[in-house]
Amino acid sequence: NAGVTQTPKFQVLKTGQSMTLQCAQDMNHNSMYWYRQDPGMGLRLIYYSASEGTTDKGEVPNGYNVSRLNKREFSLRLESAAPSQTSVYFCASSSGLGQPQHFGDGTRLSIL
Amino acid sequence: RKEVEQDPGPFNVPEGATVAFNCTYSNSASQSFFWYRQDCRKEPKLLMSVYSSGNEDGRFTAQLNRASQYISLLIRDSKLSDSATYLCVVNPNAGNNRKLIWGLGTSLAVNP
Repeated sequence: NAGVTQTPKFQVLKTGQSMTLQCAQDMNHNSMYWYRQDPGMGLRLIYYSASEGTTDKGEVPNGYNVSRLNKREFSLRLESAAPSQTSVYFCASSSGLGQPQHFGDGTRLSIL
Repeated sequence: RKEVEQDPGPFNVPEGATVAFNCTYSNSASQSFFWYRQDCRKEPKLLMSVYSSGNEDGRFTAQLNRASQYISLLIRDSKLSDSATYLCVVNPNAGNNRKLIWGLGTSLAVNP
């Protein structure tokens, strides 16, 4: 019973490198989300996908892009990583936008 | 006024104590509420959903006060394993067409 699976769990990048964080859910949820969490800042929404085929910006989208590949998968891409993007990234899914969200166990990303 | 506000704590209580956290919200149209717990360096996990006046699950009770626009979480007979950050989450509107709003969390430390 996997729930929400994120890969990788840890990553170190150099400034300017690019990478894609992967997320997949097996709960047949319609909505998926990407958050970042920094000390003292709480969870901040980067992008979300209300349903397959749609994506929308959250409160901190700059420097990121997303792809809702299909109903199960929602990826987050950093095109040119910056030290300010060092954070813990969480993917989540829910049956709908107003419904409780279920989280993956996070990706710890460090950018040097 | 922030959309969702929580006392950051930390709350330090002895084992067996009863502890309560409050969470205030600004949108009077908010219809549903959630409490999550987050352990250090882990993902948030759903603890309880609140759709009407309150909810109870074992040692945990959530109460909703719509007139004063706050929800509370009461933990009875605290255990060491209850030490975590508790996140208050609000669905700011009826239905599934709005994103959840997350509080910054209240930190609880249960001491032996």
